[in-house]
Amino acid sequence: EIVLTQSPDFQSVTPGEKVTITCRASQSIDGKLHWYQQKPDQSPKLLIKSASQSFSGVPSRFTGSGSGTDFTLTIKSLEAEDVATYYCHQSYRLPYTFGQGTKLEIK
Amino acid sequence: QVQLVESGGGVVQTGRSLRLSCAASGFTFSTYGMQWVRQAPGKGLEWVAGISDDGHSPSHADSVKGRFAISRDNSKSTLSLQMDSLRAEDTAVYYCAKEAGSYDAFDIWGQGTTVTVSS
Repeated sequence: EIVLTQSPDFQSVTPGEKVTITCRASQSIDGKLHWYQQKPDQSPKLLIKSASQSFSGVPSRFTGSGSGTDFTLTIKSLEAEDVATYYCHQSYRLPYTFGQGTKLEIK
Repeated sequence: QVQLVESGGGVVQTGRSLRLSCAASGFTFSTYGMQWVRQAPGKGLEWVAGISDDGHSPSHADSVKGRFAISRDNSKSTLSLQMDSLRAEDTAVYYCAKEAGSYDAFDIWGQGTTVTVSS
């Protein structure tokens, strides 16, 4: 099983701040790494697919990068509505796996 | 619009069975792989099962293998999850999700249905 490790687990952030979340895979996953946002009491929503492709309708402040085993989700200038938990997910090999999540809170 | 609506959740005793359904609309259901993902209370996301567009390649997480079975009916645009021998640790919100493509991201998610297993 491919293990995905996100960091940090939790971050207290200020509106306007740049936020970086990382996801490290236990083996190379050929760019099959995706990012989701989950707000409280809502279902997850796709933000970025295949490491760097923005999903339709996602604000441009969300970008993804990385390759091999190391990937990054960046929020260029955080807005209050971005408070949520963010998950990475690999679809390179079954069983599909998710990172443990990164929870963002407004400072 | 593209939509997935889960149903069938509820409270069930340990060892009993439950069948979840996911009704799809707004897209050609028969051309996409589909998945079940669950989230235990206060926990992260866990992949449960997936099935190819033609239904010929089901796969299950080790934690549910032999107890759960994913299936689909393309004529009714419906995804199902038969859950047998339920355990307390199966308590979770169960989401169905559409794959964007083969071995790809999950681009559409349902609102989830809650399963509570109690003794």
